Amino acid sequence: DSGVTQTPKHLITATGQRVTLRCSPRSGDLSVYWYQQSLDQGLQFLIQYYNGEERAKGNILERFSAQQFPDLHSELNLSSLELGDSALYFCASSVGPPATNEKLFFGSGTQLSVL
Amino acid sequence: LAKTTQPISMDSYEGQEVNITCSHNNIATNDYITWYQQFPSQGPRFIIQGYKTKVTNEVASLFIPADRKSSTLSLPRVSLSDTAVYYCPLFSGNTGKLIFGQGTTLQVKP
Repeated sequence: DSGVTQTPKHLITATGQRVTLRCSPRSGDLSVYWYQQSLDQGLQFLIQYYNGEERAKGNILERFSAQQFPDLHSELNLSSLELGDSALYFCASSVGPPATNEKLFFGSGTQLSVL
Repeated sequence: LAKTTQPISMDSYEGQEVNITCSHNNIATNDYITWYQQFPSQGPRFIIQGYKTKVTNEVASLFIPADRKSSTLSLPRVSLSDTAVYYCPLFSGNTGKLIFGQGTTLQVKP
């Protein structure tokens, strides 16, 4: 158990809908990272927050947004869902601000299926 | 943006030592090298990290040559439970972008 909690574990929805994925980082960790993993794209970096502030953004679609709240939990919002958004979404956390020696701890993911 | 290259797949047998090499020709001076392991439907798990020379922990060893343009993850005496995908991602500077490549799928056979 990494200490990172993601909910829900599974989510099935329809095209055009909006969903929210939630992540609680390890106790004491200030950074949160979001990744998308699909069979054809591998692990894709989406966005990263440190202590409530956005620090880095990857190839995150405009239909997707995220935030980190004062209690340090984070939410990833996915809207106008398309079939291609079906994937495993991971959240990870680390102790400090982004640095090359940071060790990330990943949650078990949310499996999103868009039908 | 630093990029890593790894073999897509490797096969081994139980009890053998496995060495997985990662190429990172454009690694920055202050970049650390970190390896992660991922089982199906689970998040990646940190294995080992180093900056130069050799690092060993209870799970693996990491060898980094002087030029730091590559690194080798060594798994001693693998078992079936070591079947997984192994990644050597690099941070894009200090931006928070930890970029994963395609990883190496290790298949351990009995």
